[in-house]
Amino acid sequence: EVQLVETGGGLVQPGRSLKLSCVASGFTFNNYWMSWTRQAPGKGLEWVASITNSGGSTYYPDSVKGRFTISRDNAQNTLYLQMNSLRSEDTATYYCTLGPDYWGQGVMVTVSS
Amino acid sequence: DVVMTQTPVSLSVSLGGQTSISCRSSQSLVHSDGNTYLYWYLQKPGQSPQLLIYKVSNRFSGVPDRFSGSGSGTDFTLKISRVEPEDLGVYYCYQGTHYPPTFGAGTKLELK
Repeated sequence: EVQLVETGGGLVQPGRSLKLSCVASGFTFNNYWMSWTRQAPGKGLEWVASITNSGGSTYYPDSVKGRFTISRDNAQNTLYLQMNSLRSEDTATYYCTLGPDYWGQGVMVTVSS
Repeated sequence: DVVMTQTPVSLSVSLGGQTSISCRSSQSLVHSDGNTYLYWYLQKPGQSPQLLIYKVSNRFSGVPDRFSGSGSGTDFTLKISRVEPEDLGVYYCYQGTHYPPTFGAGTKLELK
């Protein structure tokens, strides 16, 4: 059974940093692209970042490019999202996803002073 | 960016009834590899989205045959027949053909 468990969320001040983690199990992690998608409270879904199975290439939308960094540790079956220079508009639930197929339960990030 | 336009914004349906949701993209979702990367998700209250349909018309593992997807190019439809209580929530379409991947704004399915 595929499981994706996100941790690392919380309350952070604007301009500060936060790092999310996602531990994966139930599939061969290093065979798959992984992504992060977010959902602001009461709003729709927004893709945030993707990484190839080797970690050699990463992709971001303009809204987070230069501030967020996706990475992975295939030995630890773990996906990361380093978020820097956080803004109030980054407040959302962040989901770790395996391709388009499987989603974690999500972790809440609140950016507020 | 590809804009995904879902209609209607909300739907009211009776248990056991049938309904459909439309999703239109601002450009063709046919990839150069010949596939059309159009997906449908259901997000139940308080839960993360769950995949229902992949590549237009393929039901994901465990999804009942009450759900069906169709369409091509820029025009897609999700049909739900024999609506059950567990079908209630917000439905999203999603395109993975063009970067950045984009989602529709969602259609909320409620009980009449």
